[in-house]
Amino acid sequence: DTAVSQTPKYLVTQMGNDKSIKCEQNLGHDTMYWYKQDSKKFLKIMFSYNNKELIINETVPNRFSPKSPDKAHLNLHINSLELGDSAVYFCASSLPPLAGGTDTQYFGPGTRLTVL
Amino acid sequence: AQSVTQPDIHITVSEGASLELRCNYSYGATPYLFWYVQSPGQGLQLLLKYFSGDTLVQGIKGFEAEFKRSQSSFNLRKPSVHWSDAAEYFCAVGRPRVFGNEKLTFGTGTRLTIIP
Repeated sequence: DTAVSQTPKYLVTQMGNDKSIKCEQNLGHDTMYWYKQDSKKFLKIMFSYNNKELIINETVPNRFSPKSPDKAHLNLHINSLELGDSAVYFCASSLPPLAGGTDTQYFGPGTRLTVL
Repeated sequence: AQSVTQPDIHITVSEGASLELRCNYSYGATPYLFWYVQSPGQGLQLLLKYFSGDTLVQGIKGFEAEFKRSQSSFNLRKPSVHWSDAAEYFCAVGRPRVFGNEKLTFGTGTRLTIIP
């Protein structure tokens, strides 16, 4: 009955590789997000999707490509991984008041990515 | 642009003592305000939120926060802390819009240590 789930929980890979992180929510929300938490615990928005459409792209390198096959999924694909990509990536979802929600973002457990 | 300041990087409190974590925000209108907690190795859990109405909001785990427009603050309080409250606390501001909050801007977090 997990609300927002992410896989994998941990990801260790070499520089230059391509990897994906998956996110799924079963809350019926129509907006999903990716955030990056750096080594100093600072959290910053990367992307936001509403009904499978990209609405925020916060100057993230184009090596990062989000893909939303449907409202319940938002995956993050990263090409040519770099050392600086090491971080914890959080997925979140929300439902706006216009759609009957409370506009509160609920977060997944995070994926710790380590690039060697 | 919206921003959040959490002036205290690290706070140490004795178990059973009261707690106040500070949060100041910068935003042109009434924002959405949130407090999240992150336990070690865990995801973000919503403690409480303020959208409008009563400026004193109650959350989970005995926490409350007060919105003070004149001070642009949204401080988190708890009358008596428990050892399990040791965690990282994040204040966040969201920008309300017709179709829902598009992103959260987080403060840098306050790490709470509880001593016996």
